[in-house]
Amino acid sequence: EAQVTQNPRYLITVTGKKLTVTCSQNMNHEYMSWYRQDPGLGLRQIYYSMNVEVTDKGDVPEGYKVSRKEKRNFPLILESPSPNQTSLYFCASSLRGPWNTIYFGEGSWLTVV
Amino acid sequence: AQRVTQPEKLLSVFKGAPVELKCNYSYSGSPELFWYVQYSRQRLQLLLRHISRESIKGFTADLNKGETSFHLKKPFAQEEDSAMYYCALSGRGRDDKIIFGKGTRLHILP
Repeated sequence: EAQVTQNPRYLITVTGKKLTVTCSQNMNHEYMSWYRQDPGLGLRQIYYSMNVEVTDKGDVPEGYKVSRKEKRNFPLILESPSPNQTSLYFCASSLRGPWNTIYFGEGSWLTVV
Repeated sequence: AQRVTQPEKLLSVFKGAPVELKCNYSYSGSPELFWYVQYSRQRLQLLLRHISRESIKGFTADLNKGETSFHLKKPFAQEEDSAMYYCALSGRGRDDKIIFGKGTRLHILP
């Protein structure tokens, strides 16, 4: 089944403890991206990648890192999580760019205490 | 600057009544416009895009370049339409990002 898979789905962590949220797609898509969803703020893009080894900042990149070493994977790294990064995170992919249909993962609930 | 505005956070509509979710945008070029929907306990998914000019689940949206709007409409609301709706805008260039509105929660009343 064609899909975007992200893990973990739920995580509670402590301030400052590095964590990685993995994201994988099996559709051979070039474009991948990360978003956070917060009440009243909607969906905001964190980072995106147009292809392997190409990553760019979205609207809210502070406190996050990404890498795109392989086409199918696009992990989101929080080097030193803080409580303001408590949010619902979505990974997504599309064929070439954001002008194509974007396929979303199921979301990862992250709580930083 | 690119901007997408959804003026209503919450819209409550009775079943069978018409629905209109508003979306206004600001963009200097020719935008690609989308409506994405998130049903309860499901992942966000594309509902429709302006370029396809089709009707999905009874919803339509017309791009009005003069008013810079892309309102989503359905003539008769159904209970299963209750969901969170996001309007989104993108360019077609390599450096273009996608911008989502803040979303409108549609609540269909029985």
